[in-house]
Amino acid sequence: EPEVTQTPSHQVTQMGQEVILRCVPISNHLYFYWYRQILGQKVEFLVSFYNNEISEKSEIFDDQFSVERPDGSNFTLKIRSTKLEDSAMYFCASSDLGRGYNEQFFGPGTRLTVL
Amino acid sequence: GENVEQHPSTLSVQEGDSAVIKCTYSDSASNYFPWYKQELGKRPQLIIDIRSNVGEKKDQRIAVTLNKTAKHFSLHITETQPEDSAVYFCAASMRGSARQLTFGSGTQLTVLP
Repeated sequence: EPEVTQTPSHQVTQMGQEVILRCVPISNHLYFYWYRQILGQKVEFLVSFYNNEISEKSEIFDDQFSVERPDGSNFTLKIRSTKLEDSAMYFCASSDLGRGYNEQFFGPGTRLTVL
Repeated sequence: GENVEQHPSTLSVQEGDSAVIKCTYSDSASNYFPWYKQELGKRPQLIIDIRSNVGEKKDQRIAVTLNKTAKHFSLHITETQPEDSAVYFCAASMRGSARQLTFGSGTQLTVLP
């Protein structure tokens, strides 16, 4: 069964550095998402993306964040200047809106640690 | 925006007993309610979902009920097994393209052998 994949599984960075998290959504899916989960807390929506543009974004997704679909398979999340509070698990998800309902499938996550 | 409340935060049951987790949502426009199971260090996995035009859905030992009037939905797991131990998240979303899922705070279910 096809799955969403993410790389790297763990990223350690210094505060102020830029990071790029990578995702390969399920191949026939058209809608892509990033969520984050701070340790022990709920999953929080960051941004959704369709047809090469952002569809929705949360208040967490400020100017330090950007997303891109650089080619036909990858979907990336960039954090320009990381802060300590950006430390979290970042999940990519994708959906195809079959039957109009938003079944989202999650990747395994990238654990980001900002030192 | 949507707000989803989930209770209880922790739940311990004996193997073979039933477990019930409850969620409420605030936005009457929400019409899709999935439940995810997350094992430690793993991705959230969709285990069952319900649309707003349905009151109940069952899949083997798992069932979900929805009360649109009261804006609450529940997950029922019968004949629990140790491998059911995990964190369970409810979520809500509106119909339409690329709509965000709003998650509840999660329930740590422990099934005691």
